[in-house]
Amino acid sequence: GESVGLHLPTLSVQEGDNSIINCAYSNSASDYFIWYKQESGKGPQFIIDIRSNMDKRQGQRVTVLLNKTVKHLSLQIAATQPGDSAVYFCAENSGNTPLVFGKGTRLSVIA
Amino acid sequence: KAGVTQTPRYLIKTRGQQVTLSCSPISGHRSVSWYQQTPGQGLQFLFEYFSETQRNKGNFPGRFSGRQFSNSRSEMNVSTLELGDSALYLCASSPTGGYGYTFGSGTRLTVV
Repeated sequence: GESVGLHLPTLSVQEGDNSIINCAYSNSASDYFIWYKQESGKGPQFIIDIRSNMDKRQGQRVTVLLNKTVKHLSLQIAATQPGDSAVYFCAENSGNTPLVFGKGTRLSVIA
Repeated sequence: KAGVTQTPRYLIKTRGQQVTLSCSPISGHRSVSWYQQTPGQGLQFLFEYFSETQRNKGNFPGRFSGRQFSNSRSEMNVSTLELGDSALYLCASSPTGGYGYTFGSGTRLTVV
């Protein structure tokens, strides 16, 4: 079946630097993409989403980029802080189909 | 507004037993989805309920079942528990499904 995958399982960044987390997806019919953050002992927390009719969307310190040509999604976190340390998941779906999650990338922020 | 509430938070069961997990969605949300999260398999979709009807189902054995009540609260049941069922079970609610999912903190099930 279709799947969503991540390029890197772990990422370590210095506090204050920018972080980039990447995600590849294979379902060309997907039209909705989401990034979630999961801290230890908690459920996934919504960060930002983007629809397929857009290629960029910005939030507070976060930006999601969507490249439909190569089926690639990325999450950029500006001025990474220790509180950003968590596992980040990308997810995608189309219409009312279930969310399909990637395996996750662990982000570690070095103070 | 209150978030998605899952009970209990932690559960320890013995192989062969059955278990029921509960999820109360955000008020007004009619779609409830369940996911199993394990270190090896990540987040895997179990099923989705919308207006008391199962709308989508993942690739899990029939031992996993669920239901949704008229107030949108949902329960999932796992019968004849196996060691491999040990996982974090997450519930997510959405207004109508398809977008706007909010997750609960999950129920950590340990089968011994």
